[in-house]
Amino acid sequence: EAAVTQSPRNKVTVTGGNVTLSCRQTNSHNYMYWYRQDTGHGLRLIHYSYGAGNLQIGDVPDGYKATRTTQEDFFLLLELASPSQTSLYFCASSDRVGTEVFFGKGTRLTVV
Amino acid sequence: GDSVTQTEGLVTLTKGLPVMLNCTYQTTYSPFLFWYVQHLNEAPKLLLKSSTDNKRTEHQGFYATLHKSSSSFHLQKSSVQLSDSALYFCALRETSGGNYKPTFGKGTSLVVHP
Repeated sequence: EAAVTQSPRNKVTVTGGNVTLSCRQTNSHNYMYWYRQDTGHGLRLIHYSYGAGNLQIGDVPDGYKATRTTQEDFFLLLELASPSQTSLYFCASSDRVGTEVFFGKGTRLTVV
Repeated sequence: GDSVTQTEGLVTLTKGLPVMLNCTYQTTYSPFLFWYVQHLNEAPKLLLKSSTDNKRTEHQGFYATLHKSSSSFHLQKSSVQLSDSALYFCALRETSGGNYKPTFGKGTSLVVHP
């Protein structure tokens, strides 16, 4: 079973604060993704990567940066957090194209 | 670009009745279609993956058939249970074309009453 681990699981920050969400997968998957989930919008792709040092822009990238430091590790950065970024964030990974996506347990972020 | 449409946002049913959740898609390339299920406070996880055109695939009582002629992959179950209450996502992944990202529909919430 593919393992995707996210940390922290819950985070509260103030408007304008810096936040880093971490994700590690231990299955040597090439592709990693960051999604946000909000009621009525489903899963929206923020950024994704297909290897260490690679970064692709997703569908809702504004206000987010990401970095893939190794095959295993993918980080999401909010440098000036805003209340509109309050959401449930999922990291996910997958092997080659056409295959299943494995999700982490999610990080609930609240920006007050 | 690719797109996945789930027409129902919410489906409410009584236990024991059949259900069909709709999923249609658009893509230029040959796709795999997936259904993911997300129970309350859990991560989405795979429920079904499409097989070849017009072949039914089944798992845990749920089934779906990829129909390329109508670009559809509807999810069905003959008798829903209380434990089926969850959020269901249809998703598409290309098998070629260089698009690495999966495309998800907006999800259908299934609520099963006693």
